[in-house]
Amino acid sequence: QVQLQESGPGLVKTSETLSLTCTVSGYSISSGFYWGWIRQAPGKGLEWVASFFRSGDTFYNPSLKSRATISVDTSKNTFSLKLRSVTAADTAVYYCATPVAKNARYFDLWGRGTLVTVSS
Amino acid sequence: DIQMTQSPSSLSASIGDTVTITCRASQSISIYLNWYQETPGKAPKLLISTSSNLQSGVPSRFSGSGSETDFTLTINNVQPEDFATYYCQQSYSNLLTFGPGTKLDFK
Repeated sequence: QVQLQESGPGLVKTSETLSLTCTVSGYSISSGFYWGWIRQAPGKGLEWVASFFRSGDTFYNPSLKSRATISVDTSKNTFSLKLRSVTAADTAVYYCATPVAKNARYFDLWGRGTLVTVSS
Repeated sequence: DIQMTQSPSSLSASIGDTVTITCRASQSISIYLNWYQETPGKAPKLLISTSSNLQSGVPSRFSGSGSETDFTLTINNVQPEDFATYYCQQSYSNLLTFGPGTKLDFK
């Protein structure tokens, strides 16, 4: 059974870097076609953050103004998100997710999400 | 970027009603439109992919249709567990975008 689990600090200081890791179990991340990060600020809607393909192609939400970076560690079967220069607007539940189907860019397998609060 | 809009932003329904939610893309996205259901404290759940493909395990009272720029999600015979927020998401572009959401609540 494939499972995704987000982890990382629940509190990040303003202007610092938010770092989250998604641990994948039950499936090799190298075999997956597409993986992504989505977030939801309190009381707000879903916002796509970033995604990457198995090929290595990576895409980021332009609204993040180049603050985000995705990296992959196949030896640990994890992928990570770093978001630099955070502000209170980055406070959100962050989800990692993937499609079960190949060649799909929707998400039907999600982690439980992790709340990150940005505060001074 | 492709912008997604949804209407209405909220609607009220009674058990057994039929409701329709509309999603519109700022440009043609073919059929690359997906629908999610979100309930508080849970990860979003994919209901429908590529406009009309009902996901395994999703009740048949949910259906989706549309192409190009205009899409709909219909829920027939609304059940108590359907009161949630619904989001559309385009996957035509590598820069994914979600709609702002439609909250379905109990009348």
